[in-house]
Amino acid sequence: DAGVIQSPRHEVTEMGQEVTLRCKPISGHDYLFWYRQTMMRGLELLIYFNNNVPIDDSGMPEDRFSAKMPNASFSTLKIQPSEPRDSAVYFCASSQTGGGTQYFGPGTRLTVL
Amino acid sequence: KNEVEQSPQNLTAQEGEFITINCSYSVGISALHWLQQHPGGGIVSLFMLSSGKKKHGRLIATINIQEKHSSLHITASHPRDSAVYICAVRGGGNQFYFGTGTSLTVIP
Repeated sequence: DAGVIQSPRHEVTEMGQEVTLRCKPISGHDYLFWYRQTMMRGLELLIYFNNNVPIDDSGMPEDRFSAKMPNASFSTLKIQPSEPRDSAVYFCASSQTGGGTQYFGPGTRLTVL
Repeated sequence: KNEVEQSPQNLTAQEGEFITINCSYSVGISALHWLQQHPGGGIVSLFMLSSGKKKHGRLIATINIQEKHSSLHITASHPRDSAVYICAVRGGGNQFYFGTGTSLTVIP
């Protein structure tokens, strides 16, 4: 298996623009997690899905952030409108079970100017 | 107040030394994870624990549920072990909590 795939790997955009981050989990994994990592706050869980259904989105910072999982092999994290403070590395991870080993993607480094 | 506390925050060791990183948590948990993040940024899950002890190569992870404490040990440390080690727990109500990480540097 190729592991968790994220795209793009790097994204630079201007404040106010819409940003869409994409994730393909490992086939057969029922859980998908979106994380954000910054120097100031470390690693934070934004939202996670079980069988394509959002289970906990309490980590989503504000209404500008939204995440979808239309099918078992694809998820998106959208920021609209983006702000400079959204600059971070966004990781996607998947696991077979909720408490099980999570496999992380390479991350998307987002810079909002 | 952080639900997960790690110590030390930074650690420098000589190659070959035995290393211990500690994690204490304040919530009831169903699982505890140790993650490793390399300087390049990639994150690898090392262990998932709910009780006892697990060993993988030179890495050993233990957890004491009663004391709400876990340790990650590295035997015969090597420069390639240099990374940030993050403790994460899954609490009740499907909540996840993360420590701020321990930055380890192993000097040849």
